[in-house]
Amino acid sequence: QKEVEQNSGPLSVPEGAIASLNCTYSDRGSQSFFWYRQYSGKSPELIMFIYSNGDKEDGRFTAQLNKASQYVSLLIRDSQPSDSATYLCARQAGGTSYGKLTFGQGTILTVHP
Amino acid sequence: DTGVSQNPRHKITKRGQNVTFRCDPISEHNRLYWYRQTLGQGPEFLTYFQNEAQLEKSRLLSDRFSAERPKGSFSTLEIQRTEQGDSAMYLCASGRENQPQHFGDGTRLSIL
Repeated sequence: QKEVEQNSGPLSVPEGAIASLNCTYSDRGSQSFFWYRQYSGKSPELIMFIYSNGDKEDGRFTAQLNKASQYVSLLIRDSQPSDSATYLCARQAGGTSYGKLTFGQGTILTVHP
Repeated sequence: DTGVSQNPRHKITKRGQNVTFRCDPISEHNRLYWYRQTLGQGPEFLTYFQNEAQLEKSRLLSDRFSAERPKGSFSTLEIQRTEQGDSAMYLCASGRENQPQHFGDGTRLSIL
């Protein structure tokens, strides 16, 4: 089992719809979770991070964390064509891991007009 | 520009040559990470520095790879005797404890 797995893509949604991206992880020692957006040929750009169970909202983005079920998700409301990118889920362990990130393989999102 | 800076942006070299990449982190960040990303995959951790100390290296980092951060500021990643499989995007990220990491634009390495 991979440490971090993302729902298989690509995901295609119409403009204005809600895009739902999911991620599961295997290590219960994981403490923090991050969503990065990556446009083709560019580096990952931080969108949101979440440490506590529940929801965290930032503008059109909502991150959800459920540590008991070991999943984290990202909802994008009112999706725009500019949201079309690869979304990377990453987890950061605590303790002596020094904050290194373990990424999923990414989910490609396409928002069509 | 106060973001993470990486140079060069692109590097094309012949198999067997040595290459060196540079990363300048955000100035107040004491943590610096190197990752490698291949097409269709998420970034994979290579190594980590806290100030000038290299505290962790991935098993992915063969003995052909070496990284330094001599004064706790910029870092270099050197690959000796490059192989086809080294072709990838090499990403540098910096951060502080309990804060998210921020990535540079990466160096894309192509081995001919």
